[in-house]
Amino acid sequence: DQQVKQNSPSLSVQEGRISILNCDYTNSMFDYFLWYKKYPAEGPTFLISISSIKDKNEDGRFTVFLNKSAKHLSLHIVPSQPGDSAVYFCAASAQGNKLVFGAGTILRVKS
Amino acid sequence: DGGITQSPKYLFRKEGQNVTLSCEQNLNHDAMYWYRQDPGQGLRLIYYSQIVNDFQKGDIAEGYSVSREKKESFPLTVTSAQKNPTAFYLCASTPPSGFEAFFGQGTRLTVV
Repeated sequence: DQQVKQNSPSLSVQEGRISILNCDYTNSMFDYFLWYKKYPAEGPTFLISISSIKDKNEDGRFTVFLNKSAKHLSLHIVPSQPGDSAVYFCAASAQGNKLVFGAGTILRVKS
Repeated sequence: DGGITQSPKYLFRKEGQNVTLSCEQNLNHDAMYWYRQDPGQGLRLIYYSQIVNDFQKGDIAEGYSVSREKKESFPLTVTSAQKNPTAFYLCASTPPSGFEAFFGQGTRLTVV
């Protein structure tokens, strides 16, 4: 039972354009959501997060949007850069408990 | 510099052998986790420990064992009972606030 789903295995975007990565969840108890970025053969690094009391959080080129009614969140990267090419994992937590991860989306930014 | 150190980075194991992956952190975090990454599967939780001398099974604990004798250390043993051990293993820890996880660099285990 996948509680966190990233339905797009991969995404290809031109440099300078917007990248939109999507994530859906099924557990209504999730109250904190995070995005991680992972390069090959390395551990994931934290990118940005959002609490369920908010619908948007912005950090530089990265913005996360949360739609609780749709149980959907998205990560926007503007403008996309070749160094953004990586695997992006969506993760969720319920009341500080263990993180549940999605399957990841491979982002390729073409120059 | 504080962080999480996993060793070794690459590990080869013969079928039928047990092997132990090391994870050490100097972040003074109470909670530590082991995840496994397979293509298309995301990160799946193997075991986690909220405090010293206590740990719980995650979603895919069969064929694995852990110990938490010290706050800084959370080794994972992949036993011969694990039917498909070839994967990328990640150790993580979380601060008392509990949200953001810090990851090690991972260990790639290959059964030969």
